[in-house]
Amino acid sequence: EAGVVQSPRYKIIEKKQPVAFWCNPISGHNTLYWYLQNLGQGPELLIRYENEEAVDDSQLPKDRFSAERLKGVDSTLKIQPAELGDSAVYLCASSSRGSTEAFFGQGTRLTVV
Amino acid sequence: AQSVTQPDIHITVSEGASLELRCNYSYGATPYLFWYVQSPGQGLQLLLKYFSGDTLVQGIKGFEAEFKRSQSSFNLRKPSVHWSDAAEYFCAVDRNRDDKIIFGKGTRLHILP
Repeated sequence: EAGVVQSPRYKIIEKKQPVAFWCNPISGHNTLYWYLQNLGQGPELLIRYENEEAVDDSQLPKDRFSAERLKGVDSTLKIQPAELGDSAVYLCASSSRGSTEAFFGQGTRLTVV
Repeated sequence: AQSVTQPDIHITVSEGASLELRCNYSYGATPYLFWYVQSPGQGLQLLLKYFSGDTLVQGIKGFEAEFKRSQSSFNLRKPSVHWSDAAEYFCAVDRNRDDKIIFGKGTRLHILP
């Protein structure tokens, strides 16, 4: 069974440009998470979906970040415009209903120059 | 307020020596507790989890952790480390058992030959 798939693995963009990350969770997992991991830090939750509904987006900087999970499966996370401080690893994870065992993708490493 | 505290940023042990990584959480109720490992360039992998019951939980790769309610701790242990155990270790909590997983800042484990 495939794990959580994220793309791209690496992205380098200039500041003020837009960028998007894609996540395909494990089949059948209804809960999807996006985390931000700065260098030397633990992951910080950005947004959590239950199916297509964002149930916790309190940590998502909504002035520049947006996310969607239209059909309750794949998800995209967008930053527009990107700032230098957005350079980090963006992790996607998924879990099945009632499990609370999250499986993580390998992440997308974003570098803003 | 920090939900999860990992007091040691770096730990260095010799190969074959025993290991204990510390984790404390700051909530009175018993949350769900996790330990994840992150190898360089890899996603996070779940080592073990505690939901209820026996306070000593066994995980993968020979790791175990003990939940101590009186100390609000969930320390990770391994009797004999291998060079391949060098990685970053994250303690995490789901404090309200509502699928919101909060991570500590991590402990980087170095192994001496």
